Amino acid sequence: QLVLTQSPSASASLGASVKLTCTLSSGHFSYAIAWHQQQPEKGPRYLMKLNSDGSYIKGDGIPDRFSGSSSGAVRYLTISSLQSEDEADYYCQTWGSGIQVFGGGTKLTVL
Amino acid sequence: QLQLQESGPGLVKPSETLSLTCIVSGGSISSSGYYWGWIRQPPGKGLEWIGSIDYSGSTYYNPSLKSRVTISVDTSKNQFSLKLSSVTAADTAVYYCARSSYSISRRPAEIDYWGQGTLVTVSS
Repeated sequence: QLVLTQSPSASASLGASVKLTCTLSSGHFSYAIAWHQQQPEKGPRYLMKLNSDGSYIKGDGIPDRFSGSSSGAVRYLTISSLQSEDEADYYCQTWGSGIQVFGGGTKLTVL
Repeated sequence: QLQLQESGPGLVKPSETLSLTCIVSGGSISSSGYYWGWIRQPPGKGLEWIGSIDYSGSTYYNPSLKSRVTISVDTSKNQFSLKLSSVTAADTAVYYCARSSYSISRRPAEIDYWGQGTLVTVSS
């Protein structure tokens, strides 16, 4: 079964960096994912598509501070030089056999 | 710039059918290479994919909702629609429409554009 697992919460200080994780279920380690950001009281925004080899393609207007990487079953989203507006929920999404699946989301707090 | 806008009733009675439409602007829904889909988010919870359709009418649905969901496309109006039957309070959520790219196997892949969302409450 295709499942994505995310930590419920993360925190980091203003100006620092943070690395969020999204783990693919067994048997799906080669899958690409997408990262989405949802700021408070807003709809989600597409950040990037991240492949299993660590290559990624960002959406229009996404700052250079956002980057992705991969290692085995884990897909990472790194946000550097954290700003207050980065405080949001972050969701990973993947797809296979015609279905789309979301992780449970990580709530990022900027201290 | 592609824009998607959801519209429909904000209140639906239990056991009735929820109906929403997504109007697409800044691009053609008939463009090959994209799926158009619906995702929902119950208050305070995460995202749940409902289903997707391409311009030719090829559909994919979440297995847990498949028996109650119909997604259709109207290329002449550049819009697509969602119908969810026999709703209960558990269907109360913000409903988003979105665009997905094709995967290598021509199935829905990464979502790259989202609508703003519309809250639908199921209550008598």
